Parts: sequence; structure tokens; C-alpha cells
Amino acid sequence: DGGITQSPKYLFRKEGQNVTLSCEQNLNHDAMYWYRQDPGQGLRLIYYSQIVNDFQKGDIAEGYSVSREKKESFPLTVTSAQKNPTAFYLCASTLQTGSVTEAFFGQGTRLTVV
Amino acid sequence: AQTVTQSQPEMSVQEAETVTLSCTYDTSESDYYLFWYKQPPSRQMILVIRQEAYKQQNATENRFSVNFQKAAKSFSLKISDSQLGDAAMYFCAYSHPNFGNEKLTFGTGTRLTIIP
Repeated sequence: DGGITQSPKYLFRKEGQNVTLSCEQNLNHDAMYWYRQDPGQGLRLIYYSQIVNDFQKGDIAEGYSVSREKKESFPLTVTSAQKNPTAFYLCASTLQTGSVTEAFFGQGTRLTVV
Repeated sequence: AQTVTQSQPEMSVQEAETVTLSCTYDTSESDYYLFWYKQPPSRQMILVIRQEAYKQQNATENRFSVNFQKAAKSFSLKISDSQLGDAAMYFCAYSHPNFGNEKLTFGTGTRLTIIP
């Protein structure tokens, strides 16, 4: 079955450490996105990528980095510069058609700083 | 910049009754799409219904329907015959066609509780 796989489901990080969240899709979608979800704030866009080897900052990119070396993969690194990294992170993808189509989401990664 | 506002943080409804969730948005674009996503306790985002702004007819998906008022920039979701499985966070979202970047702007969500 096609879909988006995020791993791990739960992740714990010590302060000062970088950590990488995985996102893989087999939908053959062109665009991929990372969102952060905090209570009472909905989902906010961190980074997005339209094609391989290209990505753009979203609304809250500070303290995060991404790469897009393969169409199927869009990993997110939460760096030590991110002051409040504890949150739920969602990866999504869309098919690039020139009109808006449904976004497919992964099951998310819950990151906790300990 | 586009904004999406959900003014009801929490709603509750008796099982089998009807409930309406509110959403307003702000945009200067004429061509856009609106969505309602459901996030159950599993936290998987599930598309409930979508509306293209150029369509006057309100979208309907089984027990779910929308009231799209383009001039008022309002996009409410009506759930009929509420079921226990409808309990979830509901997010209203906006997207504008931008080839290769259909990023979504979300509201803050409404938590829906179903009372047995």
C-alpha cells in the first residue's frame, strides 16, 4: 500500500543534541512538507520541498534543517539551536499537478527533550 | 498572508445529533481550496472534505457537508447523525494553487466530543 512512513513514533533527545526525524513516501509525490504541531496552535509549516535537491523555509524554520537527496525521502533534523523542540512533527506530501490535491500525512513523531 | 481562524476550541454533541464547526479565513486570492481534516487520538490526519473556491455548490461526503460562503470567507463543517467515531480534533485548512507548493495553512483546531 502507498503511503508516508515516519519514524520513530517517539523520540527522546537530550538538550544540546541534534536529532533526525525520518519521512519516507512511496506515493511518487513531488512535494513534501514538514509541519510542527503544538497544543492550541494547529500545524505550522517548517520546511517544504518541491523537487529533489531543492527546499524552502516555511514559517518556523529556525533551528531546523532538511535535505531532499531522493524523491522518496525528506528527513528533518532538529538542531540544538531549536529552543523549544518538544512537539509533535508531521510529514506530508502532495502530487504536483498545478492544482491543489489532497495532502497525505504520516503518523507523526513525538519528540521530547529530556 | 493567508490566515485561518477556528473560534471554537471545543464542541460537544449528543450521539446521533447534528453539530456545526465554524471556520473563517482571510485571503486576497480568488482561486483556492479549503479543507477539513480530522485528527483522532491516533493523531493520523485524515481528510474529511474539501471545497474548491470556484464551485458554488457546497461539498458533501456522506454525513459531512460544508456551508461555503465565499463573500463572507466562511467555511463551516456540519456533521449529521454524529457517531462516537467522530470524536477528534478537526482542523480547517486553506491552500492556494501554486505549482509545486500546495502548502496548507491550518486553523488552531476544534476538539469535538461525542456524548453517548
